[in-house]
Amino acid sequence: AQSVTQLGSHVSVSEGALVLLRCNYSSSVPPYLFWYVQYPNQGLQLLLKYTTGATLVKGINGFEAEFKKSETSFHLTKPSAHMSDAAEYFCAVSGGGYNKLIFGAGTRLAVHP
Amino acid sequence: GAVVSQHPSWVICKSGTSVKIECRSLDFQATTMFWYRQFPKQSLMLMATSNEGSKATYEQGVEKDKFLINHASLTLSTLTVTSAHPEDSSFYICSARQRGDTIYFGEGSWLTVV
Repeated sequence: AQSVTQLGSHVSVSEGALVLLRCNYSSSVPPYLFWYVQYPNQGLQLLLKYTTGATLVKGINGFEAEFKKSETSFHLTKPSAHMSDAAEYFCAVSGGGYNKLIFGAGTRLAVHP
Repeated sequence: GAVVSQHPSWVICKSGTSVKIECRSLDFQATTMFWYRQFPKQSLMLMATSNEGSKATYEQGVEKDKFLINHASLTLSTLTVTSAHPEDSSFYICSARQRGDTIYFGEGSWLTVV
């Protein structure tokens, strides 16, 4: 079985500051890990994913995440926040390939001037 | 990239009626589709997994007789909310997977039951 824990339901940063959104997972098989962003009243947009290979993955809009097996973590970072980054972010895990995704509770990112 | 389309985007129905939401993969054949439900300001909850030509597999706690899922073709899955009640009001999102490939999400469908 798989599960995801996102630490911090709300994160607030200043424009230009580092963004760090935390995600820890549990999986009985090698996981595939995903970060999605959701803007109000919209669907999900894939930011990045880890399947196999390089543990540091780069996504769209300057985001990246590092898969750390020893820490069972897949934290999302961006060096410099932009106002347009304000949204809800979901970490998700699937076990054994592209199977059903189990989502974390989400982290709402606020960016203030 | 691949596109998954949901229809309708918004629907309002009267309590006691049924409503159907469609999920289509527009440029690929989706061997598997997933249906999620999202309450306001909450995460996505997986409702069921449907494979083309077979019965859907429902997650624990999801009423299969209330949420009818049909995956009759490789490009279309439907979710029918039967005898809808106000507590069924939610955001419903589908996702589709091409064999061995990544998963693509639809834009979601807002259901309001009045």
